[in-house]
Amino acid sequence: DVKVTQSSRYLVKRTGEKVFLECVQDMDHENMFWYRQDPGLGLRLIYFSYDVKMKEKGDIPEGYSVSREKKERFSLILESASTNQTSMYLCASGGRRETQYFGPGTRLLVL
Amino acid sequence: LAKTTQPISMDSYEGQEVNITCSHNNIATNDYITWYQQFPSQGPRFIIQGYKTKVTNEVASLFIPADRKSSTLSLPRVSLSDTAVYYCLVGESWGKLQFGAGTQVVVTP
Repeated sequence: DVKVTQSSRYLVKRTGEKVFLECVQDMDHENMFWYRQDPGLGLRLIYFSYDVKMKEKGDIPEGYSVSREKKERFSLILESASTNQTSMYLCASGGRRETQYFGPGTRLLVL
Repeated sequence: LAKTTQPISMDSYEGQEVNITCSHNNIATNDYITWYQQFPSQGPRFIIQGYKTKVTNEVASLFIPADRKSSTLSLPRVSLSDTAVYYCLVGESWGKLQFGAGTQVVVTP
């Protein structure tokens, strides 16, 4: 079975802190994705990566950056957390002609 | 990216068949149709994917008419554990997928 793991299930941070969300997949997938999910807004794509060191902006990249130094790891960075970034963050991976496999999610609260 | 339209919610009783129809009038030639299931506080889970006609697996069936402007996810004999949000997505299967609001399916005894 494909396994996508995220570093934390729950995180509480303060406004202005730098936040790192880590995601690791074990299926050698080329593509990895970061979404956030908010009530009434569904899942929205933040960034995705189709190869090591490659990244593309999704629909809502503002306030976020990403890093993909190794194929299996894709990190989401909040340079200066704000309260409007309180959300559920979901990482996914997938190869060509394959579906996306999601991690369990990280629920982030920014105070 | 092709936009999708699906019902906001559907109610069903245990043992019934549930059919969720998704409209995607602007589907492109290379687009696949994919359905995901999501339980509360969990990430979405892939259910089924198709390009045309009919696809069936151990969980569901996917019916796609010839014009591909819509698709229907069929869940046979649902149980309480099928209560979830179901998302219809259209796009190149490897790339950016656009998640809509999904359909909340509630199964009651």
